[in-house]
Amino acid sequence: EPEVTQTPSHQVTQMGQEVILRCVPISNHLYFYWYRQILGQKVEFLVSFYNNEISEKSEIFDDQFSVERPDGSNFTLKIRSTKLEDSAMYFCASKNWDQPQHFGDGTRLSIL
Amino acid sequence: DAKTTQPPSMDCAEGRAANLPCNHSTISGNEYVYWYRQIHSQGPQYIIHGLKNNETNEMASLIITEDRKSSTLILPHATLRDTAVYYCIVRSGSEKLVFGKGTKLTVNP
Repeated sequence: EPEVTQTPSHQVTQMGQEVILRCVPISNHLYFYWYRQILGQKVEFLVSFYNNEISEKSEIFDDQFSVERPDGSNFTLKIRSTKLEDSAMYFCASKNWDQPQHFGDGTRLSIL
Repeated sequence: DAKTTQPPSMDCAEGRAANLPCNHSTISGNEYVYWYRQIHSQGPQYIIHGLKNNETNEMASLIITEDRKSSTLILPHATLRDTAVYYCIVRSGSEKLVFGKGTKLTVNP
């Protein structure tokens, strides 16, 4: 069964550094999402992306965050200048029209 | 999106049916009920969804009451691998999924 793939599984970064989290969505999917889950807390929506533009974003997704689909297969989340509170699991999801979202297994981001 | 209420935890014996309730009394006519689960910090896994009618797939059954104010997810023969947090989510036109705290289901041998 096709799946969403995320790399790396664990990323350790110094505070203030830029980080890029990578996702390969399921190949024929057109809608892409990022969520995050701080340890012990709920899964929170960050952003949705369709047709090469952001379709919806949450209050968490401020100017420090950006998303990109640089080629036909990857979908990336960039955090420009990381803060301690950015430490979390970051999940990518994708779907096709009127289908449920399918999630990857996440990247654990640790900010030191 | 309508708010959902789920019990924080439930236990089930291996091999028995697990019935997970969800209350969504403020659901509106065009909102779907989705169920996902999360096994120990893995990504949320889609289980099933429905609008009005009961649904069944290879993983589970979803029973939605006639007034749509509540639903039950049924795992017909729970296994140890079904131990997870189960999320009931009501979604309308917005693309985002709003996760609550879910129900932590523990399947006991």
